[in-house]
Amino acid sequence: KAGVTQTPRYLIKTRGQQVTLSCSPISGHRSVSWYQQTPGQGLQFLFEYFSETQRNKGNFPGRFSGRQFSNSRSEMNVSTLELGDSALYLCASSRGANTEAFFGQGTRLTVV
Amino acid sequence: ELKVEQNPLFLSMQEGKNYTIYCNYSTTSDRLYWYRQDPGKSLESLFVLLSNGAVKQEGRLMASLDTKARLSTLHITAAVHDLSATYFCAGPISGGGADGLTFGKGTHLIIQP
Repeated sequence: KAGVTQTPRYLIKTRGQQVTLSCSPISGHRSVSWYQQTPGQGLQFLFEYFSETQRNKGNFPGRFSGRQFSNSRSEMNVSTLELGDSALYLCASSRGANTEAFFGQGTRLTVV
Repeated sequence: ELKVEQNPLFLSMQEGKNYTIYCNYSTTSDRLYWYRQDPGKSLESLFVLLSNGAVKQEGRLMASLDTKARLSTLHITAAVHDLSATYFCAGPISGGGADGLTFGKGTHLIIQP
């Protein structure tokens, strides 16, 4: 059974640019959540989608946005990149609340 | 909103020894998760604890949940080098059925021969 797939795995962008990251959940999983991991702040929740609806959002500026498609695949977008956005972005999928969440390999974003 | 505190944040131990990682959380929650992360890798799900008194074991790792004390523990028995990793506990950010996890800062575990 295929796991959670995130693309691309690595990305280098310049300050001010925007970036789109993609996440394909495990087949049958309708919930997709996104996290940012940095050495200083640790793992922080960005947002969660279920059946194309954002149900929960973390404390991040509006530059961070996401969406989910009808096939449960999700994208997150970061506009006007800042150096502090450099991080490992992780996507997790699950069947829904109270169920196990499985993480993808992550996208390592470097902003220069 | 749930807050999760782990301790210790760093642990160096010898092979063969036993140790416990503690995870305290701030508000009532009936769910708690444990994950493992190897350097440069993603998170691997270890345990899902869904009720008060839940105890789960996998190999040398055993996790438990006490919802009254708002405490979960991850116990390592007779540690081996392969268990060196960073361990995270996490709980649901909020109630209402929406997913999303709040993580502790992680316990960086080094097991030396």
